[in-house]
Order: sequence, then structure tokens, then C-alpha cells
Amino acid sequence: AQSVSQHNHHVILSEAASLELGCNYSYGGTVNLFWYVQYPGQHLQLLLKYFSGDPLVKGIKGFEAEFIKSKFSFNLRKPSVQWSDTAEYFCAVNEGGSTLGRLYFGRGTQLTVWP
Amino acid sequence: GAVVSQHPSRVICKSGTSVKIECRSLDFQATTMFWYRQFPKKSLMLMATSNEGSKATYEQGVEKDKFLINHASLTLSTLTVTSAHPEDSSFYICSAQELQETQYFGPGTRLLVL
Repeated sequence: AQSVSQHNHHVILSEAASLELGCNYSYGGTVNLFWYVQYPGQHLQLLLKYFSGDPLVKGIKGFEAEFIKSKFSFNLRKPSVQWSDTAEYFCAVNEGGSTLGRLYFGRGTQLTVWP
Repeated sequence: GAVVSQHPSRVICKSGTSVKIECRSLDFQATTMFWYRQFPKKSLMLMATSNEGSKATYEQGVEKDKFLINHASLTLSTLTVTSAHPEDSSFYICSAQELQETQYFGPGTRLLVL
């Protein structure tokens, strides 16, 4: 079975600091990769996704993520965070190169940004 | 963008009663819907996958007779928690997917069983 690891459980940053959240997965085959964000009191929203092609993907709100196949990683980055980025961030992986089927989620990283 | 709604947003019920949660895709047809359970400080746990017009596929350890899932149309799936007990108290989230597109998530339903 697939496993997804998010090593940072809680990250606290000041505004304008740079952000990198780690995500590693275990499946050795073709994967689709996602980052979702859950703002306080709101539902999960898609930040960005990787299916194929350029391993550096750009998402909404200035976020980007890089797929490094050799490291089984899909880290999320943002050069300068804002207070409004305070939220829970989930990495998710889908096996087999098809978006049909289950998503495996990491346990989430709570990001707190101080103004 | 794709919108998924859930109703109710929160529900409190007595132990032994059944609770139905609805998941609707508002602006697209969802060939597949997923039901998740989220525990505090934990990740989302997939409970089952449902395809319109067919029986749901349950994940290992999820009791299909306790968590009844119906996906009668391309825009509606329901999860019924039968004979609910306090340990069923949780946050239940659905997601909907159109063909091979991304999953879009509902806002969740907070269930409290007294």
C-alpha cells in the first residue's frame, strides 16, 4: 500500500519568510501528486497538482512544488508567506498514472504565519 | 470551479439512531464519489469509493453494513451511519470526481453521537 509522509507537523513562520513543506511517498511506479490546503473552517482546496511533464509545477496563491522522482518527493514551496497562508496543508498521491481511484493522504502540516 | 456541497454541516444524534449525510456535486457530474473520515490531528482516511449506479467499494476495516453508501445519481451520494455510537463521532468528508479529473472536496459534516 502507498504511504505518504509529511515530516513537518507544525510549522511556524513570520510573514515574508520562505516556506518549504516536505512530502515523500512510497510507491515506486507512476504517480499523480497533489497538494491540498484547508483554511480554518473551510473545506479542502486544491493548491496544485502534478501528472506529468515539467516537474516544477506552479499552483494558486504563489505556491509551487517540485517532483523529484529519485527522491520520491513532492515538496511544497512559497518564497514569501503571508498571514493568510495560515492553514493545514495535505500532500496526496494517486497511484498508477490515473486520476481515477483513491488518494493517499499525508497526515497534514499545520502552518501558522505570524504577522 | 467545481463545487461540492454536504448536508448537514453538523449533526448531533442519540446513540442507536441513524444519520444520513448528503454529498452533491453542484456544477458537474461526478462519476465517482469518495467518502473520507478525518480524525483530530490525523489525516483523511478513505472509507469507500462509490461509482454512480453500482455498489460502493469499501476500504479494509470499514463496515459496509454500518456505513451505507448510495450513489443513485451523477450528482448525489449519501452516507448513512446506521445505529450510530459515540465512537462514530467524527468529521466526514466527501469528494467528487468527474471522469479522470481532480477530486473536489465537500466542506465536511461534523457528527457527534451522544
